[in-house]
Amino acid sequence: GENVEQHPSTLSVQEGDSAVIKCTYSDSASNYFPWYKQELGKRPQLIIDIRSNVGEKKDQRIAVTLNKTAKHFSLHITETQPEDSAVYFCAASKPSGSRLTFGEGTQLTVNP
Amino acid sequence: GAGVSQSPSNKVTEKGKDVELRCDPISGHTALYWYRQRLGQGLEFLIYFQGNSAPDKSGLPSDRFSAERTGESVSTLTIQRTQQEDSAVYLCASRPDRGRTEAFFGQGTRLTVV
Repeated sequence: GENVEQHPSTLSVQEGDSAVIKCTYSDSASNYFPWYKQELGKRPQLIIDIRSNVGEKKDQRIAVTLNKTAKHFSLHITETQPEDSAVYFCAASKPSGSRLTFGEGTQLTVNP
Repeated sequence: GAGVSQSPSNKVTEKGKDVELRCDPISGHTALYWYRQRLGQGLEFLIYFQGNSAPDKSGLPSDRFSAERTGESVSTLTIQRTQQEDSAVYLCASRPDRGRTEAFFGQGTRLTVV
């Protein structure tokens, strides 16, 4: 089955700096790659996703890039703010009905 | 409802008792997932439903765990003879259809086995 690895497990940045979280996946048939943000004690919520027919997607301060050949995708957060502090999860899914496989998560801390 | 609803939100049970956790997905969502999240850990896949069939239940940790779903509606996750290691938050998510769409999570059920 699909295996998703995520790095780093913890990331600490200064407010205003950029943060990058990287994930790799094993199944070349995967074609949907969402990123979820989970604040302490709350449910995971989608912040951005990318499909395999595009290489990059941007939404304000958040961007995701996908390299299908290398089977890795990354989350980029620019101009970080303290409210960006949370756990971020990447995930991968195949087109036909199947599980959504998550990475282990990255604890991002933005220091004011 | 407006989102995925889970009940109860918190459950404390004695070791050895059975528990039943409920998930009401968003209306019309055909795909439904159960995940387990231990404190400070990631999202551990348990089972996936497409309609009322479960094409992937490979994540269920033991035969004490079972789940069912009624049509494209409510799902229940049952844990028999609970153990302390079952303590975790159990999250349910639903998606409109198979494939490349957003999964919406419920708020989870925090299970504590004492």
